[in-house]
Amino acid sequence: DAGITQSPRHKVTETGTPVTLRCHQTENHRYMYWYRQDPGHGLRLIHYSYGVKDTDKGEVSDGYSVSRSKTEDFLLTLESATSSQTSVYFCAISDPGQGVTGELFFGEGSRLTVL
Amino acid sequence: GQNIDQPTEMTATEGAIVQINCTYQTSGFNGLFWYQQHAGEAPTFLSYNVLDGLEEKGRFSSFLSRSKGYSYLLLKELQMKDSASYLCAPGGGGTASKLTFGTGTRLQVTL
Repeated sequence: DAGITQSPRHKVTETGTPVTLRCHQTENHRYMYWYRQDPGHGLRLIHYSYGVKDTDKGEVSDGYSVSRSKTEDFLLTLESATSSQTSVYFCAISDPGQGVTGELFFGEGSRLTVL
Repeated sequence: GQNIDQPTEMTATEGAIVQINCTYQTSGFNGLFWYQQHAGEAPTFLSYNVLDGLEEKGRFSSFLSRSKGYSYLLLKELQMKDSASYLCAPGGGGTASKLTFGTGTRLQVTL
């Protein structure tokens, strides 16, 4: 199993509060991703990173920011959480030189509830 | 953008064979992935097709037709543990795996 740890695994917060989710990997993979998963929408890419300090937006990036100061850590921040951001968030990693060709390895997910 | 279509739910009997179809339209393509996701768990990689044809891996096989924008996942000798969601994900090109996932097909295997 890929060494990917997400924290916290569960969080309940109130509208307007900031929230940071952390993804930590021990695989030294170059690429890291944040997805959210909602019923009827499947997994949607929020942001991804292709190296330290190199990040880019996915299809649902509004309201989210990310940072990657070290290879092993990728942080997702909701500056001011809204109820529409209630979701399960998955971190994933990949490396073109590893495995099948860019297959994603997922963390266990972080369930966020915004009241 | 990408448009991915797969059935929402399917039911099959233990020991049987089931085929889960996926059609897609994508602006870039570097292969198609299938993932399995058990309820409450993370998705796990099942298969990858970059060329047309059938890729077989044990009880699971995956087929791709790039010209038709069509793929299917074939599960043989179904077991109860195969009850899960199956996610179709065409890759959008480039070295980053910016996969777009379908909403998934929830498969229930019954006795």
